[in-house]
Amino acid sequence: GAGVSQSPRYKVAKRGQDVALRCDPISGHVSLFWYQQALGQGPEFLTYFQNEAQLDKSGLPSDRFFAERPEGSVSTLKIQRTQQEDSAVYLCASSFQSEYEQYFGPGTRLTVT
Amino acid sequence: KQEVTQIPAALSVPEGENLVLNCSFTDSAIYNLQWFRQDPGKGLTSLLLIQSSQREQTSGRLNASLDKSSGRSTLYIAASQPGDSATYLCAVRTTGGFKTIFGAGTRLFVKA
Repeated sequence: GAGVSQSPRYKVAKRGQDVALRCDPISGHVSLFWYQQALGQGPEFLTYFQNEAQLDKSGLPSDRFFAERPEGSVSTLKIQRTQQEDSAVYLCASSFQSEYEQYFGPGTRLTVT
Repeated sequence: KQEVTQIPAALSVPEGENLVLNCSFTDSAIYNLQWFRQDPGKGLTSLLLIQSSQREQTSGRLNASLDKSSGRSTLYIAASQPGDSATYLCAVRTTGGFKTIFGAGTRLFVKA
């Protein structure tokens, strides 16, 4: 089927606003990862879901970051009270199982002004 | 703590040259290692996945090797083409959790 999709592709938020970023994984993929990528750097792991269970959130940088995947398919990454340092590209990836090949979406570029 | 390093950070080669990109990691406790390419402003495209029990994988002009004991992987690109110009990233999937750790990438430019 279709690949991983993410929306919106671009988001501009004023400092202090809340944002929600959406990820639609490949159908049937159990595993879903969120990453944050700063300019010129490799992606940094944020959190991992197996179906609807969030099994690893060790990479979330602060309690302003929250992710959910309530029905085990679509996932949302929410950032509350955005700060300038949150400006980055947020990438979502899915895989059949956690140790299988990861397939990435195009990312959401978040700019906090 | 797992750390992934890629050398060189940037590389410029003439078309047709064979080249090797290097990736090293500090902890051999991994499930797998995956190579990706990333074009400017785009997401990551998977190139090759090597499971921890494997030594190499091949796809077309690409060959990736894995030496877990020494913490190294190489990506070999044969007969490079201008369309190969991109940033190449390696990533290790660690055991004892669900983290995938990426290197900072090698920016490759293939001149026509």
